[in-house]
Amino acid sequence: EAAVTQSPRNKVAVTGGKVTLSCNQTNNHNNMYWYRQDTGHGLRLIHYSYGAGSTEKGDIPDGYKASRPSQENFSLILELATPSQTSVYFCASGWDRGNTLYFGAGTRLSVL
Amino acid sequence: TQTVSQSDAHVTVFEGDSVELRCNYSYGGSIYLSWYIQHHGRGLQFLLKYYSGNPVVQGVNGFEAEFSKSDSSFHLRKASVHWSDSAVYFCAVSPNNNRIFFGDGTQLVVKP
Repeated sequence: EAAVTQSPRNKVAVTGGKVTLSCNQTNNHNNMYWYRQDTGHGLRLIHYSYGAGSTEKGDIPDGYKASRPSQENFSLILELATPSQTSVYFCASGWDRGNTLYFGAGTRLSVL
Repeated sequence: TQTVSQSDAHVTVFEGDSVELRCNYSYGGSIYLSWYIQHHGRGLQFLLKYYSGNPVVQGVNGFEAEFSKSDSSFHLRKASVHWSDSAVYFCAVSPNNNRIFFGDGTQLVVKP
């Protein structure tokens, strides 16, 4: 069973602060993804990566940066957090670009 | 515009009933079709997928889905639901094995 671990599980941040969400996967998947989930919007893709050292913009990248320093780790960075970024964030990994995804348990972020 | 449409935002049934959750898509060419389940407060979990061959695919826990090219559909079915099937179900489409696009989800409530 693929294991994707997100940290922290819950985070409260202040407006203008920097937030880093971390994701680790232990199954050597090439591809990793960051989504946010909001009521009425389903899952929206923020950034993704096809391997260490690469990051790509998804559908809603503004206000977010991503970093893939290794095969196992993929971080989402909010340099200047805003209340509109309050959401639940999911990391996922998978072998092929369109193939089965394995999701983490999510990070609930509140920006006050 | 390429889309994944889940026409029912909410479906309520009684335990033991059958259920069908609908998914329609508008992508052309080769596509992977999948269903995921999300229990409250958890990440998404893969249920089943279709790419080619038998249009009826079996998943875990008695779920199955049927692909119809003529209807551009991939509906999810279960013959007899259990209270533990209460969750949000997401249909996902991957055109040409490149990126995965999710529908907005259908919340299934199973009453005792």
